[in-house]
Amino acid sequence: DIQMTQSPASLSASVGDRVTITCQASQDIDKYLNWYQQKPGKAPNVLIYDASNLETGVPSRFSGGGDGTHFTFTISSLRPEDSATYYCQQYDKIPYSFGQGTRLEI
Amino acid sequence: QVTLRESGPALVKPTQTLTLTCDISGFSINSNAMCVNWIRQPPGKALEWLAVIDWDNNIYYTTSLRTRLTISKDTSKNRVVLVMTDMGPDDTATYYCARLVSSRNYFDYWGQGAPVTVSS
Repeated sequence: DIQMTQSPASLSASVGDRVTITCQASQDIDKYLNWYQQKPGKAPNVLIYDASNLETGVPSRFSGGGDGTHFTFTISSLRPEDSATYYCQQYDKIPYSFGQGTRLEI
Repeated sequence: QVTLRESGPALVKPTQTLTLTCDISGFSINSNAMCVNWIRQPPGKALEWLAVIDWDNNIYYTTSLRTRLTISKDTSKNRVVLVMTDMGPDDTATYYCARLVSSRNYFDYWGQGAPVTVSS
C-alpha cells in the first residue's frame, strides 16, 4: 500500500502570508495526487487534482505542483477563510490513501 | 444536482455489525465511470479510505479492513450499502460516502457524513 506523509502537521500564519504544505509518497505515483480542504464539521472539498490542476471555481491563490514522490500545495496570499485542514490523496493505486492532514490556523 | 446522503445507527455496541446506506440522487450508480466510495474519519484524525464499488460492480477494499467490510449496491433504489462487522471502539468515526468519476479520479461529491460511536 502507498503511504502519504504530509508536513507540517499544523501551522499558524497571517493574512497575506504565503504558505506551502508538502506531501511525500512512499513510491512513485506520477501526478496522481489530489488536494482537499476540510473545514470543521464539513466534508472535504477538492481544490487541486492531478497534482497541479485547479478545480473549477477554486480561487487562483491555491496551487499545486510536483510529481513522482514529492508534491507541494501553496496558498499564495492567505485569507481568513482559508483556515482549515488540508489533505493530500493519491489515486495511483488502490487502496487510495490520504496524508495525515495539515491544520492551518490564520 | 448530485447529492449523497448517508444513514445508519449513531451508536453501536462492540462486536456488533454496522450497516450504512448511501442514498444517491443526480446520477445513476450504473452509469459509465461512476464509482461510489466509503471514507471515514475518527474524531480529530485523518481521512481513511475504506471501499469502492463501480458502475461495473468491481469492488475494492482497504487492506487492513478487508475481512470486515462488504460493499454492495441496490440499483433499484440507487443506493450503496456498507457493512462492517465486529465493530470496536477504534471504529468510532464519521463515515462518508463520496463519488469518484473514473475519468477525473477525485472525490467530487460527498455526503454530509454519518457519525458512528462504538460503545457499550
